[in-house]
Amino acid sequence: QVQLVQSGSEMKKPGASVKISCKASGYTFTTNNMNWVRQAPGQGLEWMGWINTNTGKPTYAQGFTGRFVFSLDTSVSTAFLQINSLTAEDTAVYYCARRVTLQTWFDPWGQGTLVTVSS
Amino acid sequence: SYELTQPPSVSVSPGQTAIITCSGDKVGNKDVSWYQQKPGQSPVLVIYQDSKRPSGIPERFSGSNSGNTATLTISGTQSMDETDYYCQAWDSSTVVFGGGTKLTVL
Repeated sequence: QVQLVQSGSEMKKPGASVKISCKASGYTFTTNNMNWVRQAPGQGLEWMGWINTNTGKPTYAQGFTGRFVFSLDTSVSTAFLQINSLTAEDTAVYYCARRVTLQTWFDPWGQGTLVTVSS
Repeated sequence: SYELTQPPSVSVSPGQTAIITCSGDKVGNKDVSWYQQKPGQSPVLVIYQDSKRPSGIPERFSGSNSGNTATLTISGTQSMDETDYYCQAWDSSTVVFGGGTKLTVL
């Protein structure tokens, strides 16, 4: 079945970087798009943007430019989210979610990766 | 920027019908999806393209969308349905989520 498995929780100090992985299985990785969604503690869902898994072209939502980097390793069907210059405000659960090309919904979602930024 | 507005909370008695709204300017012209998120878990798609149910989602979940309001309806609400729900749509190549609604079954 279609599945997204994310890397484990991370604890980082302010100013550090973190790289989260999202490994896909059960479908052809390069035919669907991968999206990233942030959920701060006790808050709602916030779309960060997506990466075209065929071309590698990233699209960043407003508020997620500069410090955020989407990338791929298609040889292992994995998408990555890197966040640089971490601050406490980056403490959140980060989800990857598949979107079939030209469709408007996300399914499935990864299990989420908690990133905690604290000195 | 485009906004989707959901009530923060909705209460329903077991067995009754829960209605969760998602308001936005001309949202009826957009495809709306709904996600259920239980505590500590990732969101699960329960409705897509306004009213379609993915396989495995119970028939008691239904959706509609017209004018400025999209609606998620849960018929015969069960205690297991008590959790958070989010609507989602696209506007100008941007994904927008509603703020979420906590459904309480009491």
